[in-house]
Amino acid sequence: GAGVSQSPSNKVTEKGKDVELRCDPISGHTALYWYRQRLGQGLEFLIYFQGNSAPDKSGLPSDRFSAERTGESVSTLTIQRTQQEDSAVYLCASILGTVLDTTQYFGPGTRLTVL
Amino acid sequence: AQSVAQPEDQVNVAEGNPLTVKCTYSVSGNPYLFWYVQYPNRGLQFLLKYITGDNLVKGSYGFEAEFNKSQTSFHLKKPSALVSDSALYFCAVRDDNYGQNFVFGPGTRLSVLP
Repeated sequence: GAGVSQSPSNKVTEKGKDVELRCDPISGHTALYWYRQRLGQGLEFLIYFQGNSAPDKSGLPSDRFSAERTGESVSTLTIQRTQQEDSAVYLCASILGTVLDTTQYFGPGTRLTVL
Repeated sequence: AQSVAQPEDQVNVAEGNPLTVKCTYSVSGNPYLFWYVQYPNRGLQFLLKYITGDNLVKGSYGFEAEFNKSQTSFHLKKPSALVSDSALYFCAVRDDNYGQNFVFGPGTRLSVLP
């Protein structure tokens, strides 16, 4: 596929459990973003990866949230000890990263429900 | 720091009428401006962008937007609305003084009435 993919599409978990969300960016895209979108709200920046540089973690809401990306490939967002307020759609986007192409391409999102 | 405002939570327009969804921004450097659309239970789809050049930008599905530097605005427009345009629209800005950080507006829900 040519687009950004995310898995799972839906995740229901119990409060206190850990969850791992996956994002497969478009091949060759150097930059990758994670956002959180609560019901009826806008996008909340979480973390940004650019190539092999240190990620920008300034948007992570707490130390329960972490993310990894190996090179310019798959990224995983991990939420430990989930809370009900973590319920949201988690969106991933990737960018080619050149000066001329700074458009973000979004995946379909993972809908997380914490019971 | 950069910021984006979408002053209208909701815009209602009759099918066939022109539509405008407003966006204003604040940056310290040069703005890169974007519009995205989100249909129910879907991710965001890119509509159009302004990086440099002509102030009037044409995008997907007949949408266009005009960059106005003096008013710091980037309003989304379409000459004739379709019911299928009903969706949530997000404006986003990247300040070239802040690397690859994007800021999204809160979104405007567009309802096109038949």
